[in-house]
Amino acid sequence: DAKTTQPPSMDCAEGRAANLPCNHSTISGNEYVYWYRQIHSQGPQYIIHGLKNNETNEMASLIITEDRKSSTLILPHATLRDTAVYYCIVRANRDDKIIFGKGTRLHILP
Amino acid sequence: DAGVIQSPRHEVTEMGQEVTLRCKPISGHNSLFWYRQTMMRGLELLIYFNNNVPIDDSGMPEDRFSAKMPNASFSTLKIQPSEPRDSAVYFCASSLFPGTRKRETQYFGPGTRLLVL
Repeated sequence: DAKTTQPPSMDCAEGRAANLPCNHSTISGNEYVYWYRQIHSQGPQYIIHGLKNNETNEMASLIITEDRKSSTLILPHATLRDTAVYYCIVRANRDDKIIFGKGTRLHILP
Repeated sequence: DAGVIQSPRHEVTEMGQEVTLRCKPISGHNSLFWYRQTMMRGLELLIYFNNNVPIDDSGMPEDRFSAKMPNASFSTLKIQPSEPRDSAVYFCASSLFPGTRKRETQYFGPGTRLLVL
C-alpha cells in the first residue's frame, strides 16, 4: 500500500502557484519523498525528490516539514500543460521499487 | 537519448490469444520495471529486474503473465492466454540502481494500450 495521502483533485488558476500537499506521517528516517506526474496518455514523469531539506529544480520546489510528516510540491507559475495527476511517493533508501498511490488530479484553469 | 522504447503502442486481440509486449530500456540502465494501469486499480508494479535478474514478481497477477529479460537491452511481458480483464495500459520503466538518488530515478516509456475483446 502507498504510504502517502493526497487530495484526489485540485484546481489552480493559470499563472498562479500550484501547491500540492502530501501527508506521509509514517515516513521513516531512511525514506525519501518523490514526486512524479502523469500527463494524460503518457508515462509518469519524475519531478523532484528530497529527504529533509527543501529542494528546487527547473520544474518545481519541494518543501518538507521539519518533522517530515508532510510535504508540499510547488509549481511556481502553473500553465495549462501542468494539468496532470501528481503522485507523492515515499521510497526507502536502497529500495528500487516505487509504489504509486492514487495521486492528485490537478486542473489548471485558464 | 531515445528514452524507454515500448512496442507495440497499441494492441487489440481476442480473448485466448497470446500477447507479447516489448521494452527497450535506456542504454546504461540496469533496472527495468513493468507496470499496469487501469482506471479501477491505478498504476500497479507487476515485476522488476535488476541486472537482468527478476527481483520482485509479487505483482504479477497470475500464471498467465510471464516476463523475461534475456539481456540488458530487451525485456518482454507475455500474457497467455489473454482475457478481457487484462485490458490496460502497460508501462515499462528503467533506472540505474544503485546510483546517486537522481540517477536512480525511473524513466517511463510511452506505454502499450492493450484491448482484449
